Amino acid sequence: KQEVTQIPAALSVPEGENLVLNCSFTDSAIYNLQWFRQDPGKGLTSLLLIQSSQREQTSGRLNASLDKSSGRSTLYIAASQPGDSATYLCAVQYSSASKIIFGSGTRLSIRP
Amino acid sequence: GAGVSQTPSNKVTEKGKYVELRCDPISGHTALYWYRQSLGQGPEFLIYFQGTGAADDSGLPNDRFFAVRPEGSVSTLKIQRTERGDSAVYLCASSLTPGTGEFFGPGTRLTVL
Repeated sequence: KQEVTQIPAALSVPEGENLVLNCSFTDSAIYNLQWFRQDPGKGLTSLLLIQSSQREQTSGRLNASLDKSSGRSTLYIAASQPGDSATYLCAVQYSSASKIIFGSGTRLSIRP
Repeated sequence: GAGVSQTPSNKVTEKGKYVELRCDPISGHTALYWYRQSLGQGPEFLIYFQGTGAADDSGLPNDRFFAVRPEGSVSTLKIQRTERGDSAVYLCASSLTPGTGEFFGPGTRLTVL
């Protein structure tokens, strides 16, 4: 069964720290992997999309890496800010014309 | 509009009633997805449209759930004989072409009393 797991389920850190969120997937033959952000009561915002041929993507203070062989991805957030507080979801697709499989998310809280 | 819109934003209904949830994708997006999200969980896939046709409906939990996209744009998710377990946030997403990154709507919060 194709599953996505995110650890930890929740994380609280003081403002200014660098942090890493983890994602693992059971079937390594992915087509792409995305990281999303979800604010309470809101929809999802795509942060970074990594195609299977890529190793990482960067956007501002965010960097996502992909290691297909080990079935892992990490989202690195530099110099965290209170506005980064949200739930971060990892999701994979196994072909361009297939469903997106989500993890349960990591709820991140940045303390001022 | 600039993004994916969903109506209504909230829907409260009684057990056994019929409901329709609407999704307006970004103009020109050919792929449309429906997901369901329960509290504290990631979104769970329901159905995926490519154009007017359902390319994958394997996530629909049972035959009470049905979705259409007759003109390849707006989609409606229909739930018959609602049950309390159907209560969740129903999310819609669209993409220009499949696998190129999805844009999500704000969701419809369905509460079945």
